Amino acid sequence: GAVVSQHPSWVICKSGTSVKIECRSLDFQATTMFWYRQFPKQSLMLMATSNEGSKATYEQGVEKDKFLINHASLTLSTLTVTSAHPEDSSFYICSARGGQGDSREQYFGPGTRLTVT
Amino acid sequence: AQKVTQAQTEISVVEKEDVTLDCVYETRDTTYYLFWYKQPPSGELVFLIRRNSFDEQNEISGRYSWNFQKSTSSFNFTITASQVVDSAVYFCALSDRVDKIIFGKGTRLHILP
Repeated sequence: GAVVSQHPSWVICKSGTSVKIECRSLDFQATTMFWYRQFPKQSLMLMATSNEGSKATYEQGVEKDKFLINHASLTLSTLTVTSAHPEDSSFYICSARGGQGDSREQYFGPGTRLTVT
Repeated sequence: AQKVTQAQTEISVVEKEDVTLDCVYETRDTTYYLFWYKQPPSGELVFLIRRNSFDEQNEISGRYSWNFQKSTSSFNFTITASQVVDSAVYFCALSDRVDKIIFGKGTRLHILP
């Protein structure tokens, strides 16, 4: 099956710094990638949808200047949390969808746990 | 608006018991997809099933079975002869035509030895 990886799997950063999370589709080309955030013991909330080569579409309430998404290639999307604060500490999960076959299939990455101190 | 409701926040059963996780959804679309995912303590989402709105056949996969009923907008998940390894958070989810997946709040399942 299709594999999506995320790097790093966990990261600790100091308040005020920026951190970048990578999402890669390893064995297929992902025309669309999605970024989710999950707070402890809560559900996954979609943050944004990114299509290769175009600007990301952010969900209501998500600050696009704070959560920068770049989908520069068909196998890589990055999420940069700028000027991170402790309230940004969360589990970030990406998913990727290919353009061929059953277009409804999204493959999820293993997640990145961000802790801001 | 689309919505997924998992009314059971937390369930505990003794190993080998059967357990059913409820899922009720709301959508105005006639074409949609329903999913179940398992999230063990490691955090990684494990895909269990996807069902489209035109296929109401129940599905069985080993100890897992799913009951999709459009009349009641429900997509319930049953684990038979539960095992400790089944302990996890289970999410029901709904996807519309534009691929946006809406997750329920999840049901935390504890299987007690």
